[in-house]
Amino acid sequence: AQSVSQHNHHVILSEAASLELGCNYSYGGTVNLFWYVQYPGQHLQLLLKYFSGDPLVKGIKGFEAEFIKSKFSFNLRKPSVQWSDTAEYFCAVSVYNTDKLIFGTGTRLQVFP
Amino acid sequence: GAGVSQSPSNKVTEKGKDVELRCDPISGHTALYWYRQSLGQGLEFLIYFQGNSAPDKSGLPSDRFSAERTGGSVSTLTIQRTQQEDSAVYLCASSLNRANEKLFFGSGTQLSVL
Repeated sequence: AQSVSQHNHHVILSEAASLELGCNYSYGGTVNLFWYVQYPGQHLQLLLKYFSGDPLVKGIKGFEAEFIKSKFSFNLRKPSVQWSDTAEYFCAVSVYNTDKLIFGTGTRLQVFP
Repeated sequence: GAGVSQSPSNKVTEKGKDVELRCDPISGHTALYWYRQSLGQGLEFLIYFQGNSAPDKSGLPSDRFSAERTGGSVSTLTIQRTQQEDSAVYLCASSLNRANEKLFFGSGTQLSVL
């Protein structure tokens, strides 16, 4: 069965530090990849997604993610975090042409001024 | 409404009682999902509805859990004979057509089983 692993459960950074959150999935076929974010007190919302083409995907608020097929990874990055990036981040995978979206366990990011 | 609406926002129940959780998706969205969010467990897929197709129930943890979607719109998740391990936030999401489109989430129902 497909699964998603997020190895960083809790990340603490100072403002302006660089961020990389890991995401690995287990499925050998074509996948669609997503990052969702949940800001404190808000609904989960889509940050970025990858379906095909350029493996480097840019999303909202300066976030980007790189799909590395050989490593089954889709890590999220941001060069310089802000206090407002404090949130929980979820990686998600759906097998190509299916509708079941599987989420990872999430990474809680705390950014201190 | 403008977004996915879930009710109640909080539900406290006694072990062994049945509960019903409601989800109103965004108008026109044909796909509807239920997830369970527990501390340290991430979002656990429960069930998926798409139009008039048979739902994907593969994530339901036991036969105490069931869900229906009436008229392709409102959905109800029912948990029978609740147990303490059922305590979690139950999230509903909808999308225009499929999972490879943006999912819009509701604010969830916090279920506490005493």
